[in-house]
Amino acid sequence: GENVEQHPSTLSVQEGDSAVIKCTYSDSASNYFPWYKQELGKRPQLIIDIRSNVGEKKDQRIAVTLNKTAKHFSLHITETQPEDSAVYFCAASRRGSYIPTFGRGTSLIVHP
Amino acid sequence: EAGVAQSPRYKIIEKRQSVAFWCNPISGHATLYWYQQILGQGPKLLIQFQNNGVVDDSQLPKDRFSAERLKGVDSTLKIQPAKLEDSAVYLCASSLGIGPREGETQYFGPGTRLLVL
Repeated sequence: GENVEQHPSTLSVQEGDSAVIKCTYSDSASNYFPWYKQELGKRPQLIIDIRSNVGEKKDQRIAVTLNKTAKHFSLHITETQPEDSAVYFCAASRRGSYIPTFGRGTSLIVHP
Repeated sequence: EAGVAQSPRYKIIEKRQSVAFWCNPISGHATLYWYQQILGQGPKLLIQFQNNGVVDDSQLPKDRFSAERLKGVDSTLKIQPAKLEDSAVYLCASSLGIGPREGETQYFGPGTRLLVL
């Protein structure tokens, strides 16, 4: 089955800096890669996703890049703000499947 | 649109007791998922329903966990008997799931936080 590795487990940045979270996956058939943000005690919420037919997608301060050859994808947050502090999960699912495999999460701390 | 509803939000039980969780997905969503999220980890899929049929329950500990979605709308997840290691947040999610698609957005409920003593 699919295996998703996520790094780092904890990321601490100063407000205004950029943050990058990286994930690798094992199943070359995976073609959908969502990212979720989970604030303390709250539900995971989709913040951005990318499909295998594109290499990069951007939404305001958030961008995701995908390298299918290397089987890795990354989340980039620019101009970080304290409200970006949360746990971020990457996930991967394969063609024809609705079932994502999640990474273990990255705890992002943005210091004001 | 209303989101995924779950109840209860919190539950504390003793080991060997039984517990049940309820989920009402977003209206019109055919696919429903139950996840277990242990502290410090990502959600792990327990079971997936498409309407009232089970699509995947390969990671459901069937000796103690059961789930049903009899009318293809809301769903219940039961644990009987509970063990200490079942302490976790149980998340329900739903997606449109109207046909084969290349990945689909899942919407999560607030979760039920279970503590087994």
